[in-house]
Amino acid sequence: DVKVTQSSRYLVKRTGEKVFLECVQDMDHENMFWYRQDPGLGLRLIYFSYDVKMKEKGDIPEGYSVSREKKERFSLILESASTNQTSMYLCASSDRQGMGYFGPGTRLTVT
Amino acid sequence: QKEVEQNSGPLSVPEGAIASLNCTYSDRGSQSFFWYRQYSGKSPELIMSIYSNGDKEDGRFTAQLNKASQYVSLLIRDSQPSDSATYLCAVRSWNDYKLSFGAGTTVTVRA
Repeated sequence: DVKVTQSSRYLVKRTGEKVFLECVQDMDHENMFWYRQDPGLGLRLIYFSYDVKMKEKGDIPEGYSVSREKKERFSLILESASTNQTSMYLCASSDRQGMGYFGPGTRLTVT
Repeated sequence: QKEVEQNSGPLSVPEGAIASLNCTYSDRGSQSFFWYRQYSGKSPELIMSIYSNGDKEDGRFTAQLNKASQYVSLLIRDSQPSDSATYLCAVRSWNDYKLSFGAGTTVTVRA
């Protein structure tokens, strides 16, 4: 079974804190993605990576950065958390055909 | 911007009926098509993939693809209350790493 795991299911942080969200996949997929999902706005792509150390901006990269030092691990970093970054964060990985698998998600609350 | 549009919901069907979900896409270069199911508060789960024109059946689910009409659909036969969820259509172009998602259609199966 494909497995994508995320470091936390629920996270509460204060405004201005640096936040790290980690994602690990065990299927040797080249492609990994970070999305956020908000009611009424659907899935929005923040960043993706198609290889180790390679990254590309998605639709809403502002306020975020990413790191991919190993193939199986893709980290999302909120440099200075703000209340408008309160959201569900979803990591996904995909094979060469685009078949994507999601992690369980991290519900982040910034107060 | 590659657009993926799904029929607006919510869709309410009686138990045992067929639920029909539709999706259209704008990019003629799209090659891979996926349906995800998302229960409330959970992450999306891949349920169907289809790559060539025609029908593909998996249990009670049938995906239908018509590339000429840029249309993909999902039929859920013998709908069960456990099928109540939001269904997301996702499309990938031949030259892209990432998926484009529709906004989703919420299905409610009435017992």
